[in-house]
Amino acid sequence: EVQLVESGGGLVQPGGSLRLSCAASGFTFSTYTMNWVRQAPGKGLECVSYISGSSSTIYYADSVKGRFTISRDNAKNSLYLQMNSLRDEDAAVYYCARHRATVVTPFFDYWGQGTLVTVSS
Amino acid sequence: QSVLTQPPSVSGAPGQRVTISCTGSSSNIGAGYDVHWYQQVPGTAPKLLIYDNSNRPSGVPDRFSGSKSGTSASLAITGLQAEDEADYYCQSYDSSLRKVFGGGTKVTVL
Repeated sequence: EVQLVESGGGLVQPGGSLRLSCAASGFTFSTYTMNWVRQAPGKGLECVSYISGSSSTIYYADSVKGRFTISRDNAKNSLYLQMNSLRDEDAAVYYCARHRATVVTPFFDYWGQGTLVTVSS
Repeated sequence: QSVLTQPPSVSGAPGQRVTISCTGSSSNIGAGYDVHWYQQVPGTAPKLLIYDNSNRPSGVPDRFSGSKSGTSASLAITGLQAEDEADYYCQSYDSSLRKVFGGGTKVTVL
């Protein structure tokens, strides 16, 4: 059974840092692109970053570029998101999601339960 | 503002059919990229509902169906049930390598 379990969320002041983790199990982690998708309170979904299985391809949304760093440790079946210079608008539930593409367009076939990041002074 | 446009809400009585539209542009859906749909019950993570425009993952009831034409796609729910009350999101891809979402549609069962 595929499982994705996020951790590391919490309350942080504006300008602060936080590191999110996602522990994966039930599949061959190293062969999948992994994503961080966030959802601000009462808002829609935004894919903020993704990383290929070999870490050779990395994407950041403009909203987080230069502040967030995605990484993975395939030996530990883990995905990370280092978030620096946090802003009020970064407050959201952050989901770890697995990427799958059957033809052309990738989608998210499994999601974690999410971890809440609150940015407030 | 979301890249893909969805109506904020739709509603229907139990047993009825409702549809949710998802409108994109020539840089995403119109460029030939497929559309996927997710269901999110409040307080829970999104769940894949439809992939590649019209395919249902194992376990998704056949009451849910999807289609795509031109720069738009739609999700239909037939035989609406109380448990279908949730938020629904469409998702595609664009030429900037972004995985883009619609703003979400709240389905209310009257």
